[in-house]
Amino acid sequence: DTAVSQTPKYLVTQMGNDKSIKCEQNLGHDTMYWYKQDSKKFLKIMFSYNNKELIINETVPNRFSPKSPDKAHLNLHINSLELGDSAVYFCASSQGFGVPTSRRNEQFFGPGTRLTVL
Amino acid sequence: QQQVKQSPQSLIVQKGGISIINCAYENTAFDYFPWYQQFPGKGPALLIAIRPDVSEKKEGRFTISFNKSAKQFSLHIMDSQPGDSATYFCAAPIYNQGGKLIFGQGTELSVKP
Repeated sequence: DTAVSQTPKYLVTQMGNDKSIKCEQNLGHDTMYWYKQDSKKFLKIMFSYNNKELIINETVPNRFSPKSPDKAHLNLHINSLELGDSAVYFCASSQGFGVPTSRRNEQFFGPGTRLTVL
Repeated sequence: QQQVKQSPQSLIVQKGGISIINCAYENTAFDYFPWYQQFPGKGPALLIAIRPDVSEKKEGRFTISFNKSAKQFSLHIMDSQPGDSATYFCAAPIYNQGGKLIFGQGTELSVKP
């Protein structure tokens, strides 16, 4: 009964490959996010979807393409992987708009996917 | 500028002591200030949060103090325990930007027995 789950937990791949990370939440939330945590543990948002609609797209290379088949799933596909893509990627979810600020902004994070590009 | 500056970067505290982590922000549109706790190998989890119309919020051993005029807020962990050893992040959402959270740089807390 994990709230936010991600697969795989670890991903080791060669430069130039294409890979995907999957995320699912069973909290009934409307909004989902992808964050990147670098080696210094700095957390930065990459994308946000609300009810399958993209609402935040930070300055992320277009090699990164999120896809939300339904509001419970948000996947991240990465093309032509580079060394600098090595990081931990977190999926998160929260209630959507129309709820009090505190509930809207409480984000539930998945366990993370550690991506290592060789 | 949409930044949240957090200090210190790392903190070592003896068991039973008080851990204090500080954050400063610049954007007055921030309307909610959460603290997240992250254990090694896990995702961040919401620990405690405060709204800007309140100066202090306490939950168990964890207290947030908020100074609106100085644009600062801090986390105090009373009676720190080894189980509190984790990385702590302050954060703030940008109003009307879909729940976009701006995180501080993180503080790695180590509580020594």
